[in-house]
Amino acid sequence: DIQMTQSPSSLSASVGDRVTITCQASQDISNYLNWYQQKPGKAPKLLIYDASNLETGVPSRFSGSGSGTDFTFTITSLQPEDIATYYCQQYDHVPMLYTFGQGTKLEIK
Amino acid sequence: QVQLVQSGAEMKKPGASVKVSCTASGYTFTSYGISWVRQAPGQGLEWMGWFNPSNENTNYAQKFQGRVTMTTDTSTSTAYMELRSLRSDDTAVYYCARATGAGDYWGQGTLVTVSS
Repeated sequence: DIQMTQSPSSLSASVGDRVTITCQASQDISNYLNWYQQKPGKAPKLLIYDASNLETGVPSRFSGSGSGTDFTFTITSLQPEDIATYYCQQYDHVPMLYTFGQGTKLEIK
Repeated sequence: QVQLVQSGAEMKKPGASVKVSCTASGYTFTSYGISWVRQAPGQGLEWMGWFNPSNENTNYAQKFQGRVTMTTDTSTSTAYMELRSLRSDDTAVYYCARATGAGDYWGQGTLVTVSS
């Protein structure tokens, strides 16, 4: 099974800061990596799919990069509404299997 | 607009089974897979399995093999997830998501509480 190591597990930053979260796969997953935002009591929301593609309607301050085993998620200018937990998720096509990272809880300093 | 609407909260005793439904609308049901994901209180997201309504192909996470069954009723665009032999650590919010690759639309979640 592919393991995903997400870091950090928690992060405190100020409004306007650049925030970076990383996810490392235990083996090459090409670009099969998604990023989600989850706010308390709500379902996850897709932000980035296939490593670097911004989901429709998601603000451009969110971005993703990477391929193979190392991936990065970035918020270029943190806004108060970005307070949430962020998860990476890898998937295999054949068969269709998914694994989530452990999550990063983002707080405002 | 795409919507996934899940069934209501359930309270079950240890050893029982639960069946959660997820009714889709706003898209062609057989054109996308359905993933099931759960989240225990204060914990992260855990993928349980994936079902393809067009050919009934199913993939379950190893952890749930033998204890979970995912099905669909294409006539009502409804997906089901049944979990058997419930334990207290199955207490969680269970989500369905439209997913072929990324999960782009999610249900609102169904709280399943397992307690004697």
